[in-house]
Amino acid sequence: EADIYQTPRYLVIGTGKKITLECSQTMGHDKMYWYQQDPGMELHLIHYSYGVNSTEKGDLSSESTVSRIRTEHFPLTLESARPSHTSQYLCASSEPGRDNEQFFGPGTRLTVL
Amino acid sequence: GNSVTQMEGPVTLSEEAFLTINCTYTATGYPSLFWYVQYPGEGLQLLLKATKADDKGSNKGFEATYRKETTSFHLEKGSVQVSDSAVYFCALRKAGNQGGKLIFGQGTELSVKP
Repeated sequence: EADIYQTPRYLVIGTGKKITLECSQTMGHDKMYWYQQDPGMELHLIHYSYGVNSTEKGDLSSESTVSRIRTEHFPLTLESARPSHTSQYLCASSEPGRDNEQFFGPGTRLTVL
Repeated sequence: GNSVTQMEGPVTLSEEAFLTINCTYTATGYPSLFWYVQYPGEGLQLLLKATKADDKGSNKGFEATYRKETTSFHLEKGSVQVSDSAVYFCALRKAGNQGGKLIFGQGTELSVKP
């Protein structure tokens, strides 16, 4: 059973607000990821981390930022939300190793008005 | 570059029908291949995987065989159930990629009717 949590599950917010999407895992995984999922379902990697104090940009450019101060916690922040940020955000983690699976959280559905 | 292409959905089947969801990939070397499933309102779950050519991944009645000659990893199930209704994602992990990053296809929605 995977133990990876995301809060909030749903967020509706006005333009210009600062928001932080939380992601936590209790499996002790070093690697963590953030994906943005289009309404058309396609997933795009926007950030990843190989461990504490390690963060990298993903394949899709994003105005969001991330931090990794603790192994279990990988929050994503938008300083000023815009309607174009409306999407589903999925967090995942994995153990080291070429073929180890990624475990996904339930996602946060963000709507910016 | 590396990419994954899936058949477009939605796919609508009657219960007990045979399912095939096509997946082809473009990659250098020998990537690992995965199928993930996303049930409504949930995150993705690993369904099955294959790490080298001719490997067959299987789980919950689903199967997929890694075909390097056709660069394919088609998902099949002999008899679908209503509970199989979900979105299915094919994905690859690049050979030699120690970072674990996945490249996903666009997803195929499956709807199974009673």
